[in-house]
Parts: sequence; structure tokens; C-alpha cells
Amino acid sequence: NAGVTQTPKFQVLKTGQSMTLQCAQDMNHNSMYWYRQDPGMGLRLIYYSASEGTTDKGEVPNGYNVSRLNKREFSLRLESAAPSQTSVYFCASTPDPGHTYEQYFGPGTRLTVT
Amino acid sequence: GENVEQHPSTLSVQEGDSAVIKCTYSDSASNYFPWYKQELGKRPQLIIDIRSNVGEKKDQRIAVTLNKTAKHFSLHITETQPEDSAVYFCASIRTDKLIFGTGTRLQVFP
Repeated sequence: NAGVTQTPKFQVLKTGQSMTLQCAQDMNHNSMYWYRQDPGMGLRLIYYSASEGTTDKGEVPNGYNVSRLNKREFSLRLESAAPSQTSVYFCASTPDPGHTYEQYFGPGTRLTVT
Repeated sequence: GENVEQHPSTLSVQEGDSAVIKCTYSDSASNYFPWYKQELGKRPQLIIDIRSNVGEKKDQRIAVTLNKTAKHFSLHITETQPEDSAVYFCASIRTDKLIFGTGTRLQVFP
């Protein structure tokens, strides 16, 4: 099993450009999450998907959109990137929040917006 | 909403000493408290967790204690080793979502 995979690993964008961060898991997990990690701020939830076909906002959703394409894939889109979105982005998944809350993280995407 | 405070933000210890990291939470309905370890440039990984019906849990050199009355929980690492150097995050559950603390950078000096 590859676990949780993310692409790309690194990305540099200019202000105003758009891009999509891809996340996939092969563990048949129900729930998937997108976090951003900034120095001194911990991990902050952007969006999550409790199951295929559903998405909900987290703590910091402004400037982002998500798509739960199927059970395996959960993408994060920046429509018009801003320097404040410079961060490391982690995708995570959980088998079934009703039984276990352990989250499995992907390797992260380091995004710089200039 | 739920808030998780974590202290200290940095902690330096000599190899072999113990390290303690503390977190407090605000939502009395929280019932799951994990700890994640993140090595430099790597992803966070779960190292230990505790549910609200348990006061303490141990796994070799690491242990977590929970005081539900005071709404705080702590990570204890004994006999620290250089490979314990990392950032540690606590978290608590709010409506199936993890709320993370801001992290503690632990440095273990040989």
C-alpha cells in the first residue's frame, strides 16, 4: 500500500495564479482532510470530507475549494493564489471516525506564492 | 469552538532525562486525545492516544495522562534519546475533527 500520496511535492506560484493539489489514499478510508501548516501555528484544518460526496469547511477555508472525486481522491484548489497561502499543505485520511480517529498523513506539498 | 493550548513551545533536555509536554482543551465533550510526532521535513505520525474513559496510557518510553476535571493532558517521554528530537503536537476531537495544538519543538542533546 502506498498509503496517502500527494502531488506535487513542491510548487511556486505567482500571485493570482491557480492550481490544484492532488491527494489520494489506497486504504479504503472514509474521511479525508486538508490541513495547512505554518510556523508556530500547528496544523489548521482547511476542508474535510466525511464520506464520498460530502465536503465541509474547517477552520481556515477562505481562498480554497475542494472536490471529493471518489472515495480515493480529495483535491484542494486555489483559484487565485495569494502570498498568505504560502504554507505546507498536508492531506490526511481516517478509516472511520466513529471507531478510530487516527489520521494518516501524506508527505505534504510545500507551496510558495510570490 | 474548541481550543487547544500547548506548552512549552520549545524544550531542550539532556539525553537520558525526561520530557513533559502539556496541553489544555476547552470542550468538555472532547473524548479523544492523540499525540503526533513530526520529524524535520516529514509528515506527522501518531505516537500515542488516549480516550476520555482512561486516565493514563503507556507505550514503552512514552506515556500520556489525562485529567478530565481540569481539562488537560500531558505527554511524558522518559530516558530521552537524540532520535526523540522532533516537533510534537497534541490534539483533541470536536465533532469528528481534530483540533491541533501549536506544537512543541523538543531537542535532545547528547
